[in-house]
Amino acid sequence: GAGVSQSPRYKVAKRGQDVALRCDPISGHVSLFWYQQALGQGPEFLTYFQNEAQLDKSGLPSDRFFAERPEGSVSTLKIQRTQQEDSAVYLCASSLAFSYEQYFGPGTRLTVT
Amino acid sequence: DAKTTQPNSMESNEEEPVHLPCNHSTISGTDYIHWYRQLPSQGPEYVIHGLTSNVNNRMASLAIAEDRKSSTLILHRATLRDAAVYYCILIGTSGSRLTFGEGTQLTVNP
Repeated sequence: GAGVSQSPRYKVAKRGQDVALRCDPISGHVSLFWYQQALGQGPEFLTYFQNEAQLDKSGLPSDRFFAERPEGSVSTLKIQRTQQEDSAVYLCASSLAFSYEQYFGPGTRLTVT
Repeated sequence: DAKTTQPNSMESNEEEPVHLPCNHSTISGTDYIHWYRQLPSQGPEYVIHGLTSNVNNRMASLAIAEDRKSSTLILHRATLRDAAVYYCILIGTSGSRLTFGEGTQLTVNP
């Protein structure tokens, strides 16, 4: 079946612009995660959903970052007033349930100029 | 989550076995040991996980020390496609967020 998909794959934003990154998880997967990966480093946790409920947002770096999953499937990560330090690859992962293996999408590479 | 320590890089030759070590001396009794890998320009990919006993799957084997303070991911015959960053991650029963660390960059020479 289809894996996790993310769009767009690449996004260039001018500093101060708002961006929205989309994640389509594997159908039927209850859990959805967002991670941020800076160049040359491992991914870092941002937030976690179980169905439509956002159970953990402790990794969001500032209140400019907002994530939602209103119907328990597709999720959107929104970054308001982008800054240069937001430049990174944003990875989405889904899993059947809590503590199961996670399946990752290809990521969205965000460059803020 | 307990911390893991891995070498920054390792090299192997194609068709030879590779043993990737991971130290986790502060592991708790309920922490599972997970391994993920990330190929260039791709998202991470699950490899294997275990709790106490050694585990085998189609991708690799996981050897866990008797005291669980270390583990080794074994690729039985490395291929060029196995060149990636390998991450050893501990996950407790209270959470499934992954804490990646810096991992081991595996280079496979033809």
